[in-house]
Amino acid sequence: EDQVTQSPEALRLQEGESSSLNCSYTVSGLRGLFWYRQDPGKGPEFLFTLYSAGEEKEKERLKATLTKKESFLHITAPKPEDSATYLCAVNTGNQFYFGTGTSLTVIP
Amino acid sequence: NAGVTQTPKFQVLKTGQSMTLQCAQDMNHEYMSWYRQDPGMGLRLIHYSVGAGITDQGEVPNGYNVSRSTTEDFPLRLLSAAPSQTSVYFCASSPGKADYGYTFGSGTRLTVV
Repeated sequence: EDQVTQSPEALRLQEGESSSLNCSYTVSGLRGLFWYRQDPGKGPEFLFTLYSAGEEKEKERLKATLTKKESFLHITAPKPEDSATYLCAVNTGNQFYFGTGTSLTVIP
Repeated sequence: NAGVTQTPKFQVLKTGQSMTLQCAQDMNHEYMSWYRQDPGMGLRLIHYSVGAGITDQGEVPNGYNVSRSTTEDFPLRLLSAAPSQTSVYFCASSPGKADYGYTFGSGTRLTVV
């Protein structure tokens, strides 16, 4: 069964304290892994797409990496405005499967 | 550029009532989809469309209908609302089914009492 699991469910960081969020997946035929950011009361906002193991993408303080079984979203020196829920999703060609997200809180 | 527009933002329905959630996009995207988001569960696909006149079922289609008469609009109809349909509904669009990130609307929070 296709499955996407994100960990941890929640993460509290001090401003400037770097960390990583994990997205592990078991799907038959990965056609892309996507990271989104979701702020309270809003729709998810697209961040990155990764297609193959070894690929990396960066945007400001965020860097996404992909292996054959998981993806990491690294947050370097986070700021309070990085507080949000981060979702990952995998595309199998037929469907997108979303994880339940990691709620990140960055404390000033 | 408005992106994906959903209306209404909030709605309360009584069990058995029907209603239509509206979704419109102005990016000329071929692919549109409807998701529901519930606490502790990931976004789940209800229905999707790969172009005007073409729709298909997703993971949780029961109790919902869709149609796609134009590229821009993709309404979601609840036929007879049930408390289990209390959720936040998101419409999303992308240039194609695979390989592209979605643009999501801001959501409709629906409560069925």
